[in-house]
Amino acid sequence: DQQVKQNSPSLSVQEGRISILNCDYTNSMFDYFLWYKKYPAEGPTFLISISSIKDKNEDGRFTVFLNKSAKHLSLHIVPSQPGDSAVYFCAASAYNTGNQFYFGTGTSLTVIP
Amino acid sequence: EAGVTQFPSHSVIEKGQTVTLRCDPISGHDNLYWYRRVMGKEIKFLLHFVKESKQDESGMPNNRFLAERTGGTYSTLKVQPAELEDSGVYFCASSQRSRDYYVNTEAFFGQGTRLTVV
Repeated sequence: DQQVKQNSPSLSVQEGRISILNCDYTNSMFDYFLWYKKYPAEGPTFLISISSIKDKNEDGRFTVFLNKSAKHLSLHIVPSQPGDSAVYFCAASAYNTGNQFYFGTGTSLTVIP
Repeated sequence: EAGVTQFPSHSVIEKGQTVTLRCDPISGHDNLYWYRRVMGKEIKFLLHFVKESKQDESGMPNNRFLAERTGGTYSTLKVQPAELEDSGVYFCASSQRSRDYYVNTEAFFGQGTRLTVV
């Protein structure tokens, strides 16, 4: 049973516009959430994280929003750039699960120049 | 600083053979994880080492998989005998151990080993 879900397998956005990637989770014990970016033939690269005590974390063009009541988080990229084209994975962990990360299936983002 | 390195990058073996994957974590990282991604699906947890101890191996598919981390440095994941369904990309990741058990830190991933069992 998948505890972290990314329901959009793909997303296309024009360069300069906002990209919004969504993620839902089912385990209310999750207290730490991360976004990873993955290029083909490479491993996932850490992008940004958020603790459950916050509802927003920003790092340059990337902002992650957390809605605990809805068990939903989203990644906003603005403005989107062609180099942002990659697969984005949402991940979550909880201290009582030994800090292993649960991943979603990924969303493939294409930024069109 | 060197990142997480995995060897080999690709492996093609026949069903019934044995394969050993190696992971060298970032120096000083106590946490080491193995994950697997089957085509198009989620990145799935296999197991977690803290130094040389197995903290959680609940994700290991069956007893054909054996992971070791002798001395708390590099780790190996052996599949013996390999089956067709073992094909996928195996990722290793490492992270620092937080002073506070209840505070997590991000994990850094290697490039993965693509295993194909034919």
